[in-house]
Amino acid sequence: ETGVTQTPRHLVMGMTNKKSLKCEQHLGHNAMYWYKQSAKKPLELMFVYSLEERVENNSVPSRFSPECPNSSHLFLHLHTLQPEDSALYLCASSQDRSGGASYEQYFGPGTRLTVT
Amino acid sequence: AQKITQTQPGMFVQEKEAVTLDCTYDTSDQSYGLFWYKQPSSGEMIFLIYQGSYDEQNATEGRYSLNFQKARKSTNLVISASQLGDSAMYFCAMRGTGGFKTIFGAGTRLFVKA
Repeated sequence: ETGVTQTPRHLVMGMTNKKSLKCEQHLGHNAMYWYKQSAKKPLELMFVYSLEERVENNSVPSRFSPECPNSSHLFLHLHTLQPEDSALYLCASSQDRSGGASYEQYFGPGTRLTVT
Repeated sequence: AQKITQTQPGMFVQEKEAVTLDCTYDTSDQSYGLFWYKQPSSGEMIFLIYQGSYDEQNATEGRYSLNFQKARKSTNLVISASQLGDSAMYFCAMRGTGGFKTIFGAGTRLFVKA
């Protein structure tokens, strides 16, 4: 595997279900990100982890719970979601440790989530 | 507050011609980075090119180049010799120092015609 991988690629879940999204980066990067991409809205940053420590939490509802067990893996645990949470969830990684301006991000293919 | 504006929701270009995608930004940071990403229909965002706020030369990467005008706070992406595979969404993004937050514009959908 190379780059950033995400599983599953597609997920349909009911509002009472609990599921998890998984992201893995094979680039040796230090920071990992979760983004939400809804139709007709700009990409929204949800969470950032740097060296397994959460450094950004962008006012995300508690029904989304991130977990970063090591610098290569990132999870997004989902429970009691709402239909408006249906979106493409993108994971990304970057090389920086301290939040510099010059570090590009490498993205996974995303998980298309549909909440019914 | 930081802001990225892409005013072109959609653009058409003939294959083999050049196209310019516009992006303006607003920030009070002195040091910042500007990025362009491509998102094909498959969903994955692909990093294309980077420009630092203190870079005096416009960035170039293969067929991609930036027209960076700092005083006007604009960083337009120029794609030369367009190919059918260039059809995608293109996002302009900005990142300041001292944090990990990157903000993205609304994107421009590019259609390349054969």
